[in-house]
This record gives sequence, C-alpha cells and structure tokens, in this order.
Amino acid sequence: AQSVAQPEDQVNVAEGNPLTVKCTYSVSGNPYLFWYVQYPNRGLQFLLKYITGDNLVKGSYGFEAEFNKSQTSFHLKKPSALVSDSALYFCAVRGYNNNDMRFGAGTRLTVKP
Amino acid sequence: SQTIHQWPATLVQPVGSPLSLECTVEGTSNPNLYWYRQAAGRGLQLLFYSVGIGQISSEVPQNLSASRPQDRQFILSSKKLLLSDSGFYLCAWSVGGGNSPLHFGNGTRLTVT
Repeated sequence: AQSVAQPEDQVNVAEGNPLTVKCTYSVSGNPYLFWYVQYPNRGLQFLLKYITGDNLVKGSYGFEAEFNKSQTSFHLKKPSALVSDSALYFCAVRGYNNNDMRFGAGTRLTVKP
Repeated sequence: SQTIHQWPATLVQPVGSPLSLECTVEGTSNPNLYWYRQAAGRGLQLLFYSVGIGQISSEVPQNLSASRPQDRQFILSSKKLLLSDSGFYLCAWSVGGGNSPLHFGNGTRLTVT
C-alpha cells in the first residue's frame, strides 16, 4: 500500500526567506503526488500535483514542489515566504489505478514577520 | 463549477447516540467520494470511499458506516457513538483516475460528550 511521511511536525521561517516542507513517499509503480494546505477549521485545499514529466511542479500561491525519484521525495518549496502562508500542509500519494489517497501526518508551517 | 456541501458544520452528541453526516456534490457526475477523519488537527485517516452508488470500501472496521444512496450523496453514520469518535470529519470528491486531486468540503467538527 502507498504511504507518505512528513518528517517535520513544525517548520518555522522568517517572512521573505525561502521555505521547504519535506515529504517522502512509498508506492508500487509510478506515484501520483499531491500537496494540500489547510487553514484552521477548514477543509484541505489542493496546491499542486506531480503526475509525470518535469520534476519541478508549479502550483497555487507561488508554491512549487520538486520530485526526486531516487530519493522518493516530493518537497514543497516557496522562494519567499509570507505570513499568510502559515498553515498546516499535507503531502499525499496515490498509486496508479488506486482510488484511495493517503496523507502524511501534516507539517505546521509558521512564518514570522 | 463543482461544489461540495457538508453539514452540519459542528455537532455535539452524547455517547451512545446515533450519527448522520451528509455530504453532497454538485456540478459533476459519477464522482469518487471519500470520508476522512482528522484527529487533533493533524493527519487524515481514510474511513470510506465510494466509486459508485451502493459501492463502499471500508478502510477502518469501527462502529461507523457509510452509504451512497444517490450518485452525488455520501452519508456517514453510526448507531452508537463512542468518545473516540470525536474529530473533524471531511468529505471529498474526485473525478477521473489516480492523477486527479481530491476536493474537500469544509468539514464537520464532532464532539462526543
């Protein structure tokens, strides 16, 4: 079965600095990888996905993610963090022809002014 | 455009009482539907998913059940709630294959007292 791991419970960065939120995955075959963001008491919002092709994927709100097959990683990045980026971020994976999506435990990002 | 509705937004129920949470999707046909539970603002646990009317896959053998009486309606139920059923319940939909993201509702916060 597929799974993802987010090794950091909490990431703190200063506004204007680059941010990285880490994710590693495990899946049989080629993965479909996703990042979501959650604000307090709300559902998850889709940010971006990797299917195939270019290893650098661009998404909403200036976020991007880098797929690395050899390291089985899919780290979320942003060149310049905003205070409004503070939220809970989830990595998720689906295997080919799988209907269920598995989520990591989440990483709480705090951007300080 | 597609929308997803979940209700109620919050619910306080005594132990041993029944539960019914409803989710409906508009603007799409034959979606895959999902119920997730999020405990303590952290990771998501897949409870049920459905690929069609009357087709339910259960991931967690607990005192919860799900039904899909109509194409775009997904219901989460329990006959007798436990304290451990407290959490944030999220409904989601997707269409297409494994490369399609999930789209989440705003969730129901259930407190069992």
